[in-house]
Amino acid sequence: KQEVTQIPAALSVPEGENLVLNCSFTDSAIYNLQWFRQDPGKGLTSLLLIQSSQREQTSGRLNASLDKSSGRSTLYIAASQPGDSATYLCAVTQGAQKLVFGQGTRLTINP
Amino acid sequence: DAMVIQNPRYQVTQFGKPVTLSCSQTLNHNVMYWYQQKSSQAPKLLFHYYDKDFNNEADTPDNFQSRRPNTSFCFLDIRSPGLGDAAMYLCATSSPSGRNEQFFGPGTRLTVL
Repeated sequence: KQEVTQIPAALSVPEGENLVLNCSFTDSAIYNLQWFRQDPGKGLTSLLLIQSSQREQTSGRLNASLDKSSGRSTLYIAASQPGDSATYLCAVTQGAQKLVFGQGTRLTINP
Repeated sequence: DAMVIQNPRYQVTQFGKPVTLSCSQTLNHNVMYWYQQKSSQAPKLLFHYYDKDFNNEADTPDNFQSRRPNTSFCFLDIRSPGLGDAAMYLCATSSPSGRNEQFFGPGTRLTVL
């Protein structure tokens, strides 16, 4: 059974810092991996999707990497801003479209 | 803009009173999903439709049902809500012919009194 773990569970950093969020998964037979952002009381916003054949994807200040063989992904956020404060979820797609989520990292950027 | 829409955004019901949550999409995606997310927890898949084919997760209680009358709409019916069913309910869509990326709606927050 696939398990997805995100470390740390919570992270607080000063504005302007670069930071890395970690995600690990137990079964490397994934179709793709998605990083989502969730603001309190809201739905999920897709940030980046990495196909299983890819190593990384970039969007603006965000860069996500994937090492399928070791079961790891990282989300790098450059020059963090208070507006980046949210919960970040990683999820892997296996088999027939099923997403398995991690518990999320609650990120706070302090002005 | 193409999107996933959920109505209502907030729903209050009484213990045991049936409730229906609605999801619609303009993305023309084949697959629609319903997730339950409780406070500070990861979303949990309840079921999904691939076109008209219904796929129930093994641990989804019988109390939860779903209908998909056409490509655009999908409904979540909770037949007899209990206090433990209070949660955020998220609808998502994806297209297997693409990157299989899932797109989520804003969610419906269900309160059970």
